[in-house]
Amino acid sequence: QVQLQESGPGLVKPSETLSLTCTVSGGSISSYYWSWIRQPPGKRLEWIGYIYYSGSTNYNPSLKSRVTISIDTSKNQFSLNLSSVTAADTAVYYCANYQRTTGYYAFDYWGQGTLVTVSS
Amino acid sequence: DIQMTQSPSSLSASVGDRVTITCRASQSISSYLNWYQQKPEKAPKLLIYAASSLQSGVPSRFSGSGSGTDFTLTISSLQPEDFATYYCQQTYSSPITFGQGTRLEIK
Repeated sequence: QVQLQESGPGLVKPSETLSLTCTVSGGSISSYYWSWIRQPPGKRLEWIGYIYYSGSTNYNPSLKSRVTISIDTSKNQFSLNLSSVTAADTAVYYCANYQRTTGYYAFDYWGQGTLVTVSS
Repeated sequence: DIQMTQSPSSLSASVGDRVTITCRASQSISSYLNWYQQKPEKAPKLLIYAASSLQSGVPSRFSGSGSGTDFTLTISSLQPEDFATYYCQQTYSSPITFGQGTRLEIK
């Protein structure tokens, strides 16, 4: 059973960079796609982007200029950097496995989520 | 971007009721539609993928249907643990987008 766990600061100052890491256990990160998704308080889920184990990425155009997702297969971890944050980036951030089943992709395994608040 | 719109936004129902939630895409997405259940303070859980395929371990009272632009999630007989928020999601094209959610409450 694959398990994911987010880690990182819960409070980030405006204009700074939000950095989170997702540690994958119970399976190898060297397959499938790995994604970040966020949910502002009381709002819908928003896909941020995903990375393939090879390092190729795909980002949401609404965040693309500020987002970097990277992967460290030796540590079974992948990471999110979101630069120049504002209060609008306050959200619960989830990492998830983006897996293909019979030709269709879905977010199969999720981390528990971590609340990141942007405030001075 | 493909816009996903769910209806209703909230719904009150009783244990044992049959419930249907609708999701409409702003353009055709074939069957690239997933449904998730989210309980308070928890991560979403995949229920249905490819519009109508039941994820392993999900009770058979959940079912999905539709293709193109119109999709439904049906719960055949509500159980107490089903009261939650449900989201549809399209993976037809990037960016991946979600519906606004349907909150299912106890009547």
